[in-house]
Amino acid sequence: GAVVSQHPSRVICKSGTSVKIECRSLDFQATTMFWYRQFPKQSLMLMATSNEGSKATYEQGVEKDKFLINHASLTLSTLTVTSAHPEDSSFYICSANAYSNQPQHFGDGTRLSIL
Amino acid sequence: DAKTTQPTSMDCAEGRAANLPCNHSTISGNEYVYWYRQIHSQGPQYIIHGLKNNETNEMASLIITEDRKSSTLILPHATLRDTAVYYCIVYGLGNQFYFGTGTSLTVIP
Repeated sequence: GAVVSQHPSRVICKSGTSVKIECRSLDFQATTMFWYRQFPKQSLMLMATSNEGSKATYEQGVEKDKFLINHASLTLSTLTVTSAHPEDSSFYICSANAYSNQPQHFGDGTRLSIL
Repeated sequence: DAKTTQPTSMDCAEGRAANLPCNHSTISGNEYVYWYRQIHSQGPQYIIHGLKNNETNEMASLIITEDRKSSTLILPHATLRDTAVYYCIVYGLGNQFYFGTGTSLTVIP
């Protein structure tokens, strides 16, 4: 079945560092990918919709200059957390699907810890 | 925003059927009902989806009411590995894929 690969699975870094997370669709092309953030014991919160070849659409309250999204190809979207601080520590998850009426397939997530 | 409401938690005895309800009274005609589950510290796993007909696959059955305002996910013979948070999501073309609070299902030995 469709597979979405997310890398890295875990990142620990110092405050002020920028961190890039990759999301790849391995066996299908995805014009749209979604990025989520999940805090402990909470549900997934949609951060932004990544659109291939155009700007991402950010949810209200999500800083686009803080969370840079690039969807340069039909199989890769990246999320860069710029100048990360401890409050950015969270579980980041991406999803993609081949067609809008088909299920979203999720990556295994990236656990980001900022010291 | 999520257009679904689910009970916060449920318990089910191992080997019995787990019936997880979901209300989606504002669902639009072109929106599907999707079910996912999330086991701790993993990405959500797709279970099943449907538009208006009942659906069944190797994992579960989905029962959608005739007015489409609610649905039930049925795990026919729950096992300990089915312990997870189950999310019901309403999604259609051009929309965003929003998660609600989900139901935490605990399968009890």
